[in-house]
Amino acid sequence: GNSVTQMEGPVTLSEEAFLTINCTYTATGYPSLFWYVQYPGEGLQLLLKATKADDKGSNKGFEATYRKETTSFHLEKGSVQVSDSAVYFCALRGNYGGSQGNLIFGKGTKLSVKP
Amino acid sequence: KAGVTQTPRYLIKTRGQQVTLSCSPISGHRSVSWYQQTPGQGLQFLFEYFSETQRNKGNFPGRFSGRQFSNSRSEMNVSTLELGDSALYLCASSLVSEALNYGYTFGSGTRLTVV
Repeated sequence: GNSVTQMEGPVTLSEEAFLTINCTYTATGYPSLFWYVQYPGEGLQLLLKATKADDKGSNKGFEATYRKETTSFHLEKGSVQVSDSAVYFCALRGNYGGSQGNLIFGKGTKLSVKP
Repeated sequence: KAGVTQTPRYLIKTRGQQVTLSCSPISGHRSVSWYQQTPGQGLQFLFEYFSETQRNKGNFPGRFSGRQFSNSRSEMNVSTLELGDSALYLCASSLVSEALNYGYTFGSGTRLTVV
C-alpha cells in the first residue's frame, strides 16, 4: 500500500541555518505530494504541493521537488526563522485512474529554531 | 472567507460514553474528511463524505461513524469510548475539483480526552 516515510526529529537549528527534512514515499501510479505544517495548538496548514514528477512546490521560502526516480519530496529552506518552529508533515494523495484517495501522512518532524 | 470550524475545541469523556464532534466546512466545499491524530499512530484517515455520502473509509472499528448533512456540515460519532480514543480529531474540507491539486483545508481540531 501507499506510505510516506520522513526523517525523525526533533530537528534543532539556529536562526538563518539551512533546513532539509527528508521525505520518501511508496505509491502506485502518480500521487500528488504535499507538505503540511502544524503550529502548537492548531490544525494543519498546507505549506506547498506538487502534482507531477519534477514539479517544484514553493511557499514562504520553503521548496520541495517531486522526484519520481528517487520517490522523494524533500523539504528545504535556505534560512530558517524562529517563527518556522513547528511540526512538518509530508503527505501523499493517490490518483487511481481519476479517483482520488485520502491523504496519507508521514509521522511528522518537529523543528525548533533557536535565536 | 471563514475557515473550517470544529466544535467543541476540547472534550473530556468517561470510558464507555459516546461523543459527537461537529465540523462546518468552508462555504461551498462539499467534501469533508476526518482524521485522528495521536502521538503513537500519527495522522490516520477516518472517513470522507461528499454530498451526504461516505466515499471512503479508513481502517477503524465500527464504533467510529460519521454523517454529512445537506448543508455539507459533518458530524462524527464515537460510541463506547476507550482510553485509546483520546486524540486530536481533525476535520478537513475541499472543493472536489480542487482536492487533487490543493489538498484540504483543515480545522483546528477537537481534543478528546477519555478518562
